[in-house]
Amino acid sequence: AQSVTQLGSHVSVSEGALVLLRCNYSSSVPPYLFWYVQYPNQGLQLLLKYTTGATLVKGINGFEAEFKKSETSFHLTKPSAHMSDAAEYFCAVGRDSGGYQKVTFGTGTKLQVIP
Amino acid sequence: EAGVTQFPSHSVIEKGQTVTLRCDPISGHDNLYWYRRVMGKEIKFLLHFVKESKQDESGMPNNRFLAERTGGTYSTLKVQPAELEDSGVYFCASSQVQGAEQYFGPGTRLTVT
Repeated sequence: AQSVTQLGSHVSVSEGALVLLRCNYSSSVPPYLFWYVQYPNQGLQLLLKYTTGATLVKGINGFEAEFKKSETSFHLTKPSAHMSDAAEYFCAVGRDSGGYQKVTFGTGTKLQVIP
Repeated sequence: EAGVTQFPSHSVIEKGQTVTLRCDPISGHDNLYWYRRVMGKEIKFLLHFVKESKQDESGMPNNRFLAERTGGTYSTLKVQPAELEDSGVYFCASSQVQGAEQYFGPGTRLTVT
């Protein structure tokens, strides 16, 4: 079984401030980990993913996340928030299931960026 | 290249009625997935097609939901009869090969009154 916990359904940051969105997972097998973003009226877009190898993963739009196995965490960060980062962010864990990704999502975190 | 498209974007129906949602995957993507997000909760997997075959339908909530993918191209998800708890956003995603990144559509927001 696998599950994802996102701490904080709403996060507010000032423009230019650090963005930190928290995600903890549980998985019985080595996980694949993802962060997706959903802008208003758009589909989910993959920000970044961890499969194997380097634990610090860089994604689009200046975001990055670090896989910490000992903490079962995959927190998303960005050094400086931009107004365009306002969106809903979903952490997800996946595993191979017969050769395809079976993905379990968290409940999402809405990021508000204050000018 | 066009992305995953879904129709309609919004649907409001009364309890007991039937609704059919449509998903057009990215051309050439054999894998098609349906997900649902009930308000405030997580996005949950419903089922997975490989071409026209159902690979995994373990997430389908009950037999009021019927998914089809005739010809292995677009897919429909029918809810009949709809209940209040079926309200939510239904997402479709597709991928080119198994295990690859899934590309999501914008979702269909279903409201059952």
